Amino acid sequence: DQQVKQNSPSLSVQEGRISILNCDYTNSMFDYFLWYKKYPAEGPTFLISISSIKDKNEDGRFTVFLNKSAKHLSLHIVPSQPGDSAVYFCAASKIGGGADGLTFGKGTHLIIQP
Amino acid sequence: DAGVIQSPRHEVTEMGQEVTLRCKPISGHNSLFWYRQTMMRGLELLIYFNNNVPIDDSGMPEDRFSAKMPNASFSTLKIQPSEPRDSAVYFCASSSGSRVQPQHFGDGTRLSIL
Repeated sequence: DQQVKQNSPSLSVQEGRISILNCDYTNSMFDYFLWYKKYPAEGPTFLISISSIKDKNEDGRFTVFLNKSAKHLSLHIVPSQPGDSAVYFCAASKIGGGADGLTFGKGTHLIIQP
Repeated sequence: DAGVIQSPRHEVTEMGQEVTLRCKPISGHNSLFWYRQTMMRGLELLIYFNNNVPIDDSGMPEDRFSAKMPNASFSTLKIQPSEPRDSAVYFCASSSGSRVQPQHFGDGTRLSIL
């Protein structure tokens, strides 16, 4: 049973617009959430994270929102740029981003169209 | 700074052969993680080490899989004997072990068992 779910395998967005990637989780023990970005033939690269004590974290063009009651988080990218085309993975941890093994969703392939 | 280094990048071998995947974590990191990525199951944690000691190996699929970390700068994941269903991309990641510091991934080893 998947504990972290990304229900959209792919998403196409026009350059300059907002990209919204969604993630749902089922395990209420998760208290730290991360987004990773992955290009073909490379390893995942850390993008942004959020602790369960917060509901929003922002870093430049990237913002992550956490709704604990709904067990839902989302990643907003604005404005979207061609270099943002990649697979985005949502990940969750019971202890913390670097201190415990991560549980990953299956990823969303984001395509930014010119 | 050098990132996580994995070798080989690609491995093609016949069923029944022993396979050894290698990982050099980022210097100073004391946590090391092995993940496997397949189409069916996505990215899943196999095992992780803290200060060279295995902490959680519940993700290791079978006794054919074993992992060691003889020192802080080297880890191996071994499959013996290998089977076609072991074909996947295997990632190694390391972190400082801090709750708020993310894991850094290598570029993976693409393993094909014929």
